[in-house]
Amino acid sequence: EVQLLESGGGLVQPGGSLKLSCAASGFTFSDSDMTWVRQAPGKGLEYLSHISANSAYTQYADSVKGRFTISRDNSKNTLFLQMNSLRAEDTAVYYCGRRPPGSLDYWGQGTLVTVSS
Amino acid sequence: DAVMTQSPLSLPVTLGQPASISCRSSQSLVHSDGNTYLNWFQQRPGQSPRRLIYKVSNRDSGVPDRFSGSGSGTDFTLKISRVEAEDVGVYYCMQSTYWPLTFGGGTKVEIK
Repeated sequence: EVQLLESGGGLVQPGGSLKLSCAASGFTFSDSDMTWVRQAPGKGLEYLSHISANSAYTQYADSVKGRFTISRDNSKNTLFLQMNSLRAEDTAVYYCGRRPPGSLDYWGQGTLVTVSS
Repeated sequence: DAVMTQSPLSLPVTLGQPASISCRSSQSLVHSDGNTYLNWFQQRPGQSPRRLIYKVSNRDSGVPDRFSGSGSGTDFTLKISRVEAEDVGVYYCMQSTYWPLTFGGGTKVEIK
């Protein structure tokens, strides 16, 4: 069974940093592209970032480019999202997802990030 | 970016009755490989999204056959043949033909 478990969320002040993790199991993580998506409270879904299976390729939405960095450790089946220069509008539930070719199939349960003073 | 527009925003439905959600893209979602990468997700209250449909009309394993997807090019539809109480939630379309992936704004299905 595919499982994705995010962690690392919490309350952070504007301008601060946070690093999210996503522990994967139930599939061959090192063969899978991965992604981060967020959902602001009461709002829709926003695609943030993508990383290829071997980390050779990464992409970012304009809203987080230059502030967020996606990475992975295939030896530990873990995906990361380093978030710097956080703003109030980054407050959201952050989901990791498996990104097979042409889709996004499995999602984690999400971790809440709150940016507030 | 491919802008995805869903309608209606809210869909009150009587139990046992059909429901239909529309999703329109600002550009054709036909990929250069010939596939159309249009997906549908269900998000029940308090849960993370769950994929129902991929490549327009392919149902995921475990998804009841009362859910069906159709469409082509820029116009797509998710249909629920007979709404059940467990179908309450928000439904999103998502295109994965172009970078960045983009989602529709969501349609909230509720029971009348």
